[in-house]
Amino acid sequence: QQQVKQSPQSLIVQKGGIPIINCAYENTAFDYFPWYQQFPGKGPALLIAIRPDVSEKKEGRFTISFNKSAKQFSLHIMDSQPGDSATYFCAASVGEETSGSRLTFGEGTQLTVNP
Amino acid sequence: NAGVTQTPKFQVLKTGQSMTLQCAQDMNHEYMSWYRQDPGMGLRLIHYSVGAGITDQGEVPNGYNVSRSTTEDFPLRLLSAAPSQTSVYFCASSTFSLGGYGYTFGSGTRLTVV
Repeated sequence: QQQVKQSPQSLIVQKGGIPIINCAYENTAFDYFPWYQQFPGKGPALLIAIRPDVSEKKEGRFTISFNKSAKQFSLHIMDSQPGDSATYFCAASVGEETSGSRLTFGEGTQLTVNP
Repeated sequence: NAGVTQTPKFQVLKTGQSMTLQCAQDMNHEYMSWYRQDPGMGLRLIHYSVGAGITDQGEVPNGYNVSRSTTEDFPLRLLSAAPSQTSVYFCASSTFSLGGYGYTFGSGTRLTVV
């Protein structure tokens, strides 16, 4: 059972465009939503994360939008660059300090930014 | 600071063989996990640990075994390799920070079972 569904599977944009990657979750207990960026041959790296008490978070050119009622969240990349070409994963977890955290990942989106 | 170190980077096994994938972290993180990555399926949790001596199963634990005798090390054992275990394996560690767990991943072990 895939608890976090991610779309699209692949995405191609031109330099300067704003790719948007969407994720939907089922488990209402999730309270921590990170995004990871992965380059070929490397492990995923934490990009940005949000908790459900805010609707938007920005870090540099990366923005997470969060809609708690719809159980959806999305990643926007402003002024995208060829160096942003990578696979992006959304994830979700129940983050309690004393009990650890199990990340549930979406299927991944392969982003290509053409020069 | 090396972060999360995984060895080996590549491995080819014959069906039925056993092996151990090594993982070590030097960040004093209490939480460690093993994931496998398969095309179109994202990363799926195999086993995880919330501290030395404490481990638990994830989403796809069958055919794998773990132990955590120290904070730093979290090896993953394949008991009897099967072609279905051909995958890229990632080890990750984390600590609770800023309201959540920002996992640091190793660079992965690409395993092929023939």
